[in-house]
Amino acid sequence: DVKVTQSSRYLVKRTGEKVFLECVQDMDHENMFWYRQDPGLGLRLIYFSYDVKMKEKGDIPEGYSVSREKKERFSLILESASTNQTSMYLCASSLSPSGSGAKNIQYFGAGTRLSVL
Amino acid sequence: EDKVVQSPLSLVVHEGDTVTLNCSYEVTNFRSLLWYKQEKKAPTFLFMLTSSGIEKKSGRLSSILDKKELSSILNITATQTGDSAIYLCAVAPTGANSKLTFGKGITLSVRP
Repeated sequence: DVKVTQSSRYLVKRTGEKVFLECVQDMDHENMFWYRQDPGLGLRLIYFSYDVKMKEKGDIPEGYSVSREKKERFSLILESASTNQTSMYLCASSLSPSGSGAKNIQYFGAGTRLSVL
Repeated sequence: EDKVVQSPLSLVVHEGDTVTLNCSYEVTNFRSLLWYKQEKKAPTFLFMLTSSGIEKKSGRLSSILDKKELSSILNITATQTGDSAIYLCAVAPTGANSKLTFGKGITLSVRP
């Protein structure tokens, strides 16, 4: 089974702090994604990466950055946390950026619920 | 811009009822449509439908893709309280580095 592990289930941070959210997958997947999930807004893509040291902006990248130094690890960074970044953050991975069939399936971690006070 | 609309946004049923969840989409160069179930934590994959595989079934859950109407339904028969969850629909376009576009999800509550 594919396993996507997010380092924390719950985090509480203060406004202005630098926050690191870590995600590790164990299936040698090429693609990794960061989403945030808010009531009434669904899942929105923040950043994704299709290879080591590669990154692409998603739909809402402002206020975030990412790092992918190793294939299995994808980090989301909040440079200066703000209250409007309070949310559920979900990491996902998939086998390949292109191709058909099962390669499109994304596998999710359990999520990190971040509260910024 | 790709778009996915799910309906209804929420519904409440009683155990044993049959429910139908709807998903419509607008996507350039459609490749596949995916359904996920999200309980307290990680969304888990249910089905993927493509032009070559428009109907899937697993136990009490089944899903159909209507390529003409650009929509899909997820049916759950004989619902149980364990079916209570958010059901997410997503579409994938063709092309390299293709992303999934998700709908806002449908919250299903099954009462005993």
